[in-house]
Amino acid sequence: NAGVTQTPKFQVLKTGQSMTLQCAQDMNHEYMSWYRQDPGMGLRLIHYSVGAGITDQGEVPNGYNVSRSTTEDFPLRLLSAAPSQTSVYFCASSYISTAASIRGYTFGSGTRLTVV
Amino acid sequence: AQSVTQPDIHITVSEGASLELRCNYSYGATPYLFWYVQSPGQGLQLLLKYFSGDTLVQGIKGFEAEFKRSQSSFNLRKPSVHWSDAAEYFCAVGASLGDMRFGAGTRLTVKP
Repeated sequence: NAGVTQTPKFQVLKTGQSMTLQCAQDMNHEYMSWYRQDPGMGLRLIHYSVGAGITDQGEVPNGYNVSRSTTEDFPLRLLSAAPSQTSVYFCASSYISTAASIRGYTFGSGTRLTVV
Repeated sequence: AQSVTQPDIHITVSEGASLELRCNYSYGATPYLFWYVQSPGQGLQLLLKYFSGDTLVQGIKGFEAEFKRSQSSFNLRKPSVHWSDAAEYFCAVGASLGDMRFGAGTRLTVKP
């Protein structure tokens, strides 16, 4: 099925552990982004990519790394998990073919991460 | 960097009443503007978008939004709210599709 696939859906980490949240899309979208959602704060942009090999920081990049070696995949790495990183993480993708065909994001279903 | 403000954290309306959710943004030029809806425990669904052209845009589920450059606003409206519209609504603004910023959201409660 076409869309954005995030794995895992749930994860519990201990403080200091590292892990990678996976995100894959099969729509050939050039734009991909990672957001975290916390109560009362909406979605905050962590990192984004405008194409394979190109990434940039968003609002809250500290503690996270990304890479974009292929168009399809955009993994998010937590280097040393902290309780402040407890959140719901969403991956999203989009594309522009022409100005008139601008699409919004297609979101994945999210990863609920708890750091204890 | 661009920013977006949704002044209303929580709004309650009666079923059948009209609805307006506010969104104000800060950005030098006309950004990409979107409204999304999120039902509890779900991902986000795009309601509508604006980039250029007609400032009144129609979206899905009977929603519309009006872009007002002079007020830096992109308010979401619906003439008659249904109980199924209860959800959280997010306005998003960006200079590019990659670098999109979201507001804190407005939670909508619909009274029977």
